[in-house]
Amino acid sequence: GEDVEQSLFLSVREGDSSVINCTYTDSSSTYLYWYKQEPGAGLQLLTYIFSNMDMKQDQRLTVLLNKKDKHLSLRIADTQTGDSAIYFCAEKATGRRALTFGSGTRLQVQP
Amino acid sequence: GAGVSQTPSNKVTEKGKYVELRCDPISGHTALYWYRQSLGQGPEFLIYFQGTGAADDSGLPNDRFFAVRPEGSVSTLKIQRTERGDSAVYLCASSSRTANTGELFFGEGSRLTVL
Repeated sequence: GEDVEQSLFLSVREGDSSVINCTYTDSSSTYLYWYKQEPGAGLQLLTYIFSNMDMKQDQRLTVLLNKKDKHLSLRIADTQTGDSAIYFCAEKATGRRALTFGSGTRLQVQP
Repeated sequence: GAGVSQTPSNKVTEKGKYVELRCDPISGHTALYWYRQSLGQGPEFLIYFQGTGAADDSGLPNDRFFAVRPEGSVSTLKIQRTERGDSAVYLCASSSRTANTGELFFGEGSRLTVL
């Protein structure tokens, strides 16, 4: 079955880079996603990567995918206090429409 | 509407009662999903509709949970004989069938508390 694992917590200083990691088990994953959840708000898609890519950059965000190791990471450059939130990794398996989510990584940005 | 709308935003009920949670997806989105998020956890898949029919209900935990989408737009999640363990935030999401990326657009959720 599908399983997505993330570390629970990450604390960084404002202006530093943040790296949030995720591992998944389903080798048939077609797309992998990073969602952001701020307190009291719904999940918002940050970025996604197709499984035949190994990197995607979008402004301050860089996604790295190691398909062999089933490892996904999200790097946030120049982290700001507004980036404090919970970040969820999710994957979409072949033949399924529903996404499977990890338990989330809480990012705390200290001024 | 502009986004996915869920009502009520908060619901407090007593153990054993019946609860309905409503989701109004983004206009034109044919796919609709229900997820459940317990405290400190990620969203857990419950059921997925394509149009009016439930295409995948493998995530429903037991037969106390049921969902409908009679006209292919608004959906209602129904929970019978609620238990304290049902307390969670119930999230609804929708997506466009033509979006190959499978991006889901989420509502803000309905927080259910069973006393």
